[in-house]
Amino acid sequence: NAGVMQNPRHLVRRRGQEARLRCSPMKGHSHVYWYRQLPEEGLKFMVYLQKENIIDESGMPKERFSAEFPKEGPSILRIQQVVRGDSAAYFCASSPDVETQYFGPGTRLLVL
Amino acid sequence: QQQVKQSPQSLIVQKGGISIINCAYENTAFDYFPWYQQFPGKGPALLIAIRPDVSEKKEGRFTISFNKSAKQFSLHIMDSQPGDSATYFCAAYIAGSYQLTFGKGTKLSVIP
Repeated sequence: NAGVMQNPRHLVRRRGQEARLRCSPMKGHSHVYWYRQLPEEGLKFMVYLQKENIIDESGMPKERFSAEFPKEGPSILRIQQVVRGDSAAYFCASSPDVETQYFGPGTRLLVL
Repeated sequence: QQQVKQSPQSLIVQKGGISIINCAYENTAFDYFPWYQQFPGKGPALLIAIRPDVSEKKEGRFTISFNKSAKQFSLHIMDSQPGDSATYFCAAYIAGSYQLTFGKGTKLSVIP
């Protein structure tokens, strides 16, 4: 039973470019969460999605960030016009219920 | 209100010793408290979790102690091993909120 999968594992972008991060939840999990981790910090909640629905995006920056979880395919976290402050590790988690969240290996985004 | 405070920031323990990491919270609405273990370059892995109606939970060498009146909980790692060297995060969850609130993490080093 494969765990949560994320790709790419590392992503380098120049300022102003777009970053697309993908997450495939564990089989049978319908809840997907995105968290951001800055160096030496804990994870900060960004958004919670179910298939085709954004349930809670209270942790998402209001501009440039968006997320989706389509009926088919992985969940996507999209960052438009990236800035240096977007450099971080982005983790996706999935769960069969709401509490027990299993994390993927993360995508390390570096903005030059 | 949403904050979880974790200490110490770093911890060095000799092999065979006991590692103790503490967390405190303010919001009494938190009702689920997981601990995560994260190795460098990896995602956080769920280690053990507790609810406030239980004062202690043990799984192998890992024990959570929970003090509801003091709003504190701690992770004890018995017989610490070099392979336990990792960053440990406490977290808390409010039923119906969808998001985990994480502490800032404790970097544990177990030396031979």
